[in-house]
Amino acid sequence: AQSVSQHNHHVILSEAASLELGCNYSYGGTVNLFWYVQYPGQHLQLLLKYFSGDPLVKGIKGFEAEFIKSKFSFNLRKPSVQWSDTAEYFCAVNAGGTSYGKLTFGQGTILTVHP
Amino acid sequence: GAGVSQSPSNKVTEKGKDVELRCDPISGHTALYWYRQSLGQGLEFLIYFQGNSAPDKSGLPSDRFSAERTGGSVSTLTIQRTQQEDSAVYLCASSLTGTTTNEKLFFGSGTQLSVL
Repeated sequence: AQSVSQHNHHVILSEAASLELGCNYSYGGTVNLFWYVQYPGQHLQLLLKYFSGDPLVKGIKGFEAEFIKSKFSFNLRKPSVQWSDTAEYFCAVNAGGTSYGKLTFGQGTILTVHP
Repeated sequence: GAGVSQSPSNKVTEKGKDVELRCDPISGHTALYWYRQSLGQGLEFLIYFQGNSAPDKSGLPSDRFSAERTGGSVSTLTIQRTQQEDSAVYLCASSLTGTTTNEKLFFGSGTQLSVL
């Protein structure tokens, strides 16, 4: 069965620091990859997604992620974080040939940004 | 409605009781999903609806769990004879068609279920 691993449970940064959240998945075939974010008191929402083409994808609020197939990774990055980026971030994969939104999620990374 | 609506937001029940959790998806969304998030775990897929049919129930953890969807809209997740390990946040999501792998899911705010 496919799995998704997020390396860090809790990351604490100061504003303007650079961010990289790790995500690795275990599936050898074609995948669609997602990062979802849950801001405090809000619903889980899509940050960005990869399904084909350029492996560097850009999302909302200055986030980007790079799909590296050889490393089975889809790390999330942001060059300069803001206090408003404080949230929980989930990496997810759609794999195995399903044609609908059946996602396998990682356990999540809590990001705390201090002003 | 404007978003996916779930009720109740919190449910506390005693072990052995049955509970019903409700999800009202975004109007016009054909696909509906239930996920579960246990403490310290990622979201776990439970079931997928396409219209009123559930072609994928593979994530339901036991036969105590069932779900239905009526009128291509509201869905109810029922847990019978609840156990303490059922305590979790139950999230509902919907998407427009459910026919593409990269379709955006819209999540509700979840139901926090606590089984005492």
